Amino acid sequence: AQTVTQSQPEMSVQEAETVTLSCTYDTSENNYYLFWYKQPPSRQMILVIRQEAYKQQNATENRFSVNFQKAAKSFSLKISDSQLGDTAMYFCAFTLYNFNKFYFGSGTKLNVKP
Amino acid sequence: DGGITQSPKYLFRKEGQNVTLSCEQNLNHDAMYWYRQDPGQGLRLIYYSQIVNDFQKGDIAEGYSVSREKKESFPLTVTSAQKNPTAFYLCASSSRSQGQGDNEQFFGPGTRLTVL
Repeated sequence: AQTVTQSQPEMSVQEAETVTLSCTYDTSENNYYLFWYKQPPSRQMILVIRQEAYKQQNATENRFSVNFQKAAKSFSLKISDSQLGDTAMYFCAFTLYNFNKFYFGSGTKLNVKP
Repeated sequence: DGGITQSPKYLFRKEGQNVTLSCEQNLNHDAMYWYRQDPGQGLRLIYYSQIVNDFQKGDIAEGYSVSREKKESFPLTVTSAQKNPTAFYLCASSSRSQGQGDNEQFFGPGTRLTVL
């Protein structure tokens, strides 16, 4: 069975500081994609960053970067220079190469304080 | 612009009524999905479809039904058998293509269903 665990239900960070959101997953498969999605108060789900499991290099997108540890099955998201607009729920997710299902974590609510 | 549309944005239902939530995509994606989200919670999969005229139950399919007669459309019916249907419903699609950029799920804006 495939599972995703986000152990931090809620986090806070001061504007301009750096915060790391944790995610672990469990699968016996070797080929998969990992994602971080952001859900702001509007509730629109927005892709933040993606990582292909076969790539060793960690993905980066502007202020967002990941620390992908395949052996540990860990996929954390680092947000640098936090902005008020980063306030949102963040969901970790992954899908296997056959794309039958996407597996989501329970989410981390991030509050960026001015 | 390519994307996913859901309608209506807000929907009110009386107990005992069936209601249908619309989901349309013009991304030419093969796969489509329906999720339910309760306040402060994550996404739970209701149904998904990998191809036209075929769909599979997700984790919480009881009380829901779907159809996939066209590639671009995947409507969800919430039946009277669903005991607690008040929730936020999200539709998503993905291309299922491997090794290409758009392998993530794209989401619609959601429908908020309230049972009166």
